[in-house]
Amino acid sequence: AQSVTQPDIHITVSEGASLELRCNYSYGATPYLFWYVQSPGQGLQLLLKYFSGDTLVQGIKGFEAEFKRSQSSFNLRKPSVHWSDAAEYFCAVVSNTGGFKTIFGAGTRLFVKA
Amino acid sequence: GAGVSQSPRYKVAKRGQDVALRCDPISGHVSLFWYQQALGQGPEFLTYFQNEAQLDKSGLPSDRFFAERPEGSVSTLKIQRTQQEDSAVYLCASSLQGGGLYNEQFFGPGTRLTVL
Repeated sequence: AQSVTQPDIHITVSEGASLELRCNYSYGATPYLFWYVQSPGQGLQLLLKYFSGDTLVQGIKGFEAEFKRSQSSFNLRKPSVHWSDAAEYFCAVVSNTGGFKTIFGAGTRLFVKA
Repeated sequence: GAGVSQSPRYKVAKRGQDVALRCDPISGHVSLFWYQQALGQGPEFLTYFQNEAQLDKSGLPSDRFFAERPEGSVSTLKIQRTQQEDSAVYLCASSLQGGGLYNEQFFGPGTRLTVL
């Protein structure tokens, strides 16, 4: 069965520092991968997605992610974090079981310190 | 409004009560999804509609959960005889075209259900 693992429950970074959030997936074929952000009281917002092609994908708000098939990973990065980036981040994969399920990881909460 | 809206935003129910949660998708969006997000967890898929057709309901946890979208726009998620384990945030999402694979899902703010 497909699954998504986000190893870090929470991460704290200083404002202006770089960020990397880890995501590992278990999937039998070419995965369709997503990163979402959820701010308190807000709905989930899509940051970026990977379907095929270039393994480095650019998203909104200065985020990027790199698909590495050999490592079954799709880590999210940002070169310089802003205080407004503090939120919960979810990695997700679309199921290949013939339905339309999006399978989410448990999330990583990002704290930004001044 | 421009986005997905859900009502009520908060619902407190006594165990055994029935509840109905409403989702207003973005106008013209074909696909509609329901998710359940327990505290500290990622959203879990419940069900999917394409227009008025419920194409996938494999994520509904029990027969106490029922969803409908009779006219292909507004959807209602109904939970009968609520239990404490039903306490969660229920998220609705819509996307422009059929299928969630290639089309961005736009999420509503969710309904937080607390069952006492």
